[in-house]
Amino acid sequence: EVQLLESGGGLVQPGGSLTLSCAVSGSSIKNYAMSWVRQAPGKGLEWVSAFSVSGGNTYYTDSVKGRFTISGDNSKNSLYLQMNSLRAEDTAIYYCAKSRSVYEADAFDVWGQGIMVTVSS
Amino acid sequence: SYVLTQPPSLSVAPGRTARISCGGDDIGSRSVHWYQKKPGQAPLLVIYYDSGRPSGIPERFSGSNSGNTATLTISRVEAGDEADYYCQVWDSDSTHRVFGGGTNLAVL
Repeated sequence: EVQLLESGGGLVQPGGSLTLSCAVSGSSIKNYAMSWVRQAPGKGLEWVSAFSVSGGNTYYTDSVKGRFTISGDNSKNSLYLQMNSLRAEDTAIYYCAKSRSVYEADAFDVWGQGIMVTVSS
Repeated sequence: SYVLTQPPSLSVAPGRTARISCGGDDIGSRSVHWYQKKPGQAPLLVIYYDSGRPSGIPERFSGSNSGNTATLTISRVEAGDEADYYCQVWDSDSTHRVFGGGTNLAVL
């Protein structure tokens, strides 16, 4: 059974930085595409970024492009999201999500429990 | 970017059938996935590739996709089905994964 565990969230001031981590157990991240999905308070799900370890491809939603960087570490079987120039509108619960395969169109079949990021002065 | 449109809310009595729509331009040519989201819990995949059902998801959950509308159907609705439901596709033009706005299902 694949399990995902996020860490690294917290309170940060506007303009600050934060790095989220997602530790993957039960399978290698090389076998799947991995994503970050967020949910702002009272809002719906929003896809943020995706990474394919096998292909090295990275994808970002427009609102975070140039500010966030997604990466993966095979040796630690982990996914990361480096978040810079944070804004109040980035405040959300961030979920790590695993796709069923490396294929971009595939569904997210395993999710972490989520971690809160609050951007406020 | 590709837009998915869902009704904000839907109410259904226990034992009846809930049909949650997800509209998009020629969505029938795309693969649609559906997620259930309850407060304080992680999203749960309930339908993948239009009509596939993951292991552990009851047969009461089914999906279809044609033309400009994809539909998640929940038969014999139970109180435990009360949740927000989201449709999702991959937009090859933008290379973005896209979620619909979500539908809150209330079981009366």
